[in-house]
Amino acid sequence: QKEVEQNSGPLSVPEGAIASLNCTYSDRVSQSFFWYRQYSGKSPELIMSIYSNGDKEDGRFTAQLNKASQYVSLLIRDSQPSDSATYLCAVNSAVDYKLSFGAGTTVTVRA
Amino acid sequence: GAVVSQHPSRVICKSGTSVKIECRSLDFQATTMFWYRQFPKQSLMLMATSNEGSKATYEQGVEKDKFLINHASLTLSTLTVTSAHPEDSSFYICSATSGGLPYNEQFFGPGTRLTVL
Repeated sequence: QKEVEQNSGPLSVPEGAIASLNCTYSDRVSQSFFWYRQYSGKSPELIMSIYSNGDKEDGRFTAQLNKASQYVSLLIRDSQPSDSATYLCAVNSAVDYKLSFGAGTTVTVRA
Repeated sequence: GAVVSQHPSRVICKSGTSVKIECRSLDFQATTMFWYRQFPKQSLMLMATSNEGSKATYEQGVEKDKFLINHASLTLSTLTVTSAHPEDSSFYICSATSGGLPYNEQFFGPGTRLTVL
């Protein structure tokens, strides 16, 4: 069983719509959860960190964490063509600083 | 967020030569740095974890004698690909974190694209 699983995508949404990305993880003692955005040919860029259950909003991005369900999600509101990228869910091990990554969900925003 | 730089951004070398890649944390002290490799259309693959002043810890299957890692200071880690071969051509990315960051976030450098001819 993979440690971090994401909805496989690709996900295509029209400009202005909400893109919804989901992620589940298997390590129940995981502490910190992250969403990275990776444009083609570039390195990952951290866009959201979440530590506590509930919602965390930053601009057009909202991360949701439910530790009981071992589930973390990312909503992108008012999607723009510049949001077209691969989104990586990452979970921080409780033992060391290593990150476990999901396979990524590729999002395409149609103009 | 914190800034991590890498140098060079792109390198082309002949088979059998060695290549050194530098990773620097510019505005924080990185107690731990990580080195990843990514092939086209594939996920990030962690190669090794580097702590300042100690030997790097390599992931299973990564040859430590081929990929030499040095973390000499809290702001600099280097990866040397020794006797590079065409199959080592890849996108190498470092990341850095610090125990002082609230979520132990990892911040990534821009990556180094290595092409071995």
